[in-house]
Amino acid sequence: AQSVSQHNHHVILSEAASLELGCNYSYGGTVNLFWYVQYPGQHLQLLLKYFSGDPLVKGIKGFEAEFIKSKFSFNLRKPSVQWSDTAEYFCALLGGGADGLTFGKGTHLIIQP
Amino acid sequence: DVKVTQSSRYLVKRTGEKVFLECVQDMDHENMFWYRQDPGLGLRLIYFSYDVKMKEKGDIPEGYSVSREKKERFSLILESASTNQTSMYLCASSFLDRGGNQPQHFGDGTRLSIL
Repeated sequence: AQSVSQHNHHVILSEAASLELGCNYSYGGTVNLFWYVQYPGQHLQLLLKYFSGDPLVKGIKGFEAEFIKSKFSFNLRKPSVQWSDTAEYFCALLGGGADGLTFGKGTHLIIQP
Repeated sequence: DVKVTQSSRYLVKRTGEKVFLECVQDMDHENMFWYRQDPGLGLRLIYFSYDVKMKEKGDIPEGYSVSREKKERFSLILESASTNQTSMYLCASSFLDRGGNQPQHFGDGTRLSIL
C-alpha cells in the first residue's frame, strides 16, 4: 500500500524566513509526486509536480521541491516566505493508473508579518 | 481554464437522510474523483471514475456510493447520512493518463454537516 507522511503539522515562520516542508512517501513502483496548496477559503491548487527527469522541480510563486529517490522524499522549499504564503500544504502521490491521489495529512503554514 | 463546479458550498442535512453531492467539470476529463477532507487526516479518496458508468472504490467507500451517467458529471451519494460523515467534500477531475502525467483539478468543496 502507498502512503505519504508530512511530519510538520503546523509551522509558524516570520516573513523572509526560509521554508522547508518535509514529505516522505512509501511506494514500490514509479511515483508521480505533487504539492498542492489551499489558501484560506479557496480550493486546492497545484503548486508543482514531479514525473521524471530533473529531480529539482520549480513551481509557482517561487516554490521548488527536490525528489530524492534514495530517501523517498519530496521536500518543498522556498528561500524567503511572504505573509501571503499562509495556507495549508499537501504532498500527494500518484502510483500510476487512474487511481486517485494519496495525500499526506497536510501542513498548516502560518507566516507572521 | 479548467472549471470544476460543486453544486453546494454549504449543506446541512439530518441523520438518516439520503444526500446527493453534485460535481460538474467542463474540460472533458475522463477521470473524476471524490475526496473528503478532515482536520489532521488530510484528504482521503472515497470513489473515483475513469469513464461513464465506471466506478472504483477508493480508500474509504463505506457509507457512500457514486453515479457517473454523463462524462462531465460525478455524483456522490450518502445513502443514509450519519454524523461521522460531517466533513468537507472535494471533487476533482483529470485527463486519463496511465503514466500519471495529468494533475487533478479541484472544486471549491462542499462543507456538509449532518445533524
